[in-house]
Amino acid sequence: NAGVTQTPKFQVLKTGQSMTLQCAQDMNHEYMSWYRQDPGMGLRLIHYSVGAGITDQGEVPNGYNVSRSTTEDFPLRLLSAAPSQTSVYFCASSLSEGYYGYTFGSGTRLTVV
Amino acid sequence: GIQVEQSPPDLILQEGANSTLRCNFSDSVNNLQWFHQNPWGQLINLFYIPSGTKQNGRLSATTVATERYSLLYISSSQTTDSGVYFCAVEQGGGSEKLVFGKGTKLTVNP
Repeated sequence: NAGVTQTPKFQVLKTGQSMTLQCAQDMNHEYMSWYRQDPGMGLRLIHYSVGAGITDQGEVPNGYNVSRSTTEDFPLRLLSAAPSQTSVYFCASSLSEGYYGYTFGSGTRLTVV
Repeated sequence: GIQVEQSPPDLILQEGANSTLRCNFSDSVNNLQWFHQNPWGQLINLFYIPSGTKQNGRLSATTVATERYSLLYISSSQTTDSGVYFCAVEQGGGSEKLVFGKGTKLTVNP
């Protein structure tokens, strides 16, 4: 089924560990982005990409790295997890030009202890 | 950056009632979407509506871009409408950044 696939759905990390949240889309969308959702805060943009090889920072980029080597994949890396990164993470994609709706993945619930 | 404010923050309805949710934004936008986050956390795209009016079953949305607001109407509410409704906007000028409001939490009681 066409859409945005995120893995894993749940993850528990210890402080200082690293991990990669995976995001893949099969709709040939150029734009992809990562958001985090915290209680009472809505969704906040972490990083985004307008195409393969091009990434940029969003509102809350500290502690996260991204790369976009293919159109389909946009992984989010936590290099040294901190309790403040406990959150629900959503990946989204949209067609080029930015004049179409965004499609979101089902989310990854991350807990850092 | 652009500011997005949603009201009310919380809304409790009896099944069958109608409601209106509001989204105000501080600057011109290329993209405005309404999402429903269900109790399982899934974000469901309801409307892509940078201007004008759209309807989908019991839901409809109107965006008045010149006055910088959008309204989401829910008629004959059902318990399955419960969840959080988010408005999100993408600012003009090719920013490609979707900025979310903090949402309206809707509870529909049987």
